[in-house]
Amino acid sequence: DAGITQSPRHKVTETGTPVTLRCHQTENHRYMYWYRQDPGHGLRLIHYSYGVKDTDKGEVSDGYSVSRSKTEDFLLTLESATSSQTSVYFCAISEDKDSPLHFGNGTRLTVT
Amino acid sequence: TQLLEQSPQFLSIQEGENLTVYCNSSSVFSSLQWYRQEPGEGPVLLVTVVTGGEVKKLKRLTFQFGDARKDSSLHITAAQPGDTGLYLCAGQGAQKLVFGQGTRLTINP
Repeated sequence: DAGITQSPRHKVTETGTPVTLRCHQTENHRYMYWYRQDPGHGLRLIHYSYGVKDTDKGEVSDGYSVSRSKTEDFLLTLESATSSQTSVYFCAISEDKDSPLHFGNGTRLTVT
Repeated sequence: TQLLEQSPQFLSIQEGENLTVYCNSSSVFSSLQWYRQEPGEGPVLLVTVVTGGEVKKLKRLTFQFGDARKDSSLHITAAQPGDTGLYLCAGQGAQKLVFGQGTRLTINP
């Protein structure tokens, strides 16, 4: 299995609070991604990174920001969580932009 | 916007039966990936098909890429309870990877 660790695995937070999810990889892959998975919507890309300090928006980026200060770490921040951000968040990595993805085991976030 | 439609969204069959899951689009993809996801885990890559008309087999699973590279199918022969899971197709577009909504498959013993 690709070395991808997401933390925390579960989190419950209140509306309006900031939340940061962490993804750590040991594969030295260049590309890292944050997806959210919701029933009926499949996997939707939030943000991705193609190198240290190089990030770009995905299709559902509003309300989220990311940072990548090291190759191995990709952080997803919800500046002010809303109930619509209740979801399961997956981090993924790939060697290059056309390579298949390797996923972490997800973080289940509940915003009350 | 590139979209991938998977069908059926839900499928529940008995052990030993055959089934096919479809992944369709009006867009052309350079490749198509199939993933399987179990509860509490992330999706895991099963196969990548690249050439139009390509067929790949993985034990009892057969994957086909359409000639025009707009669609794909996954056929499972003699399904077993261990095949239960969420199956996702994903097409590699010009700018990004596009995921279908998934097919939740349940194989009953």
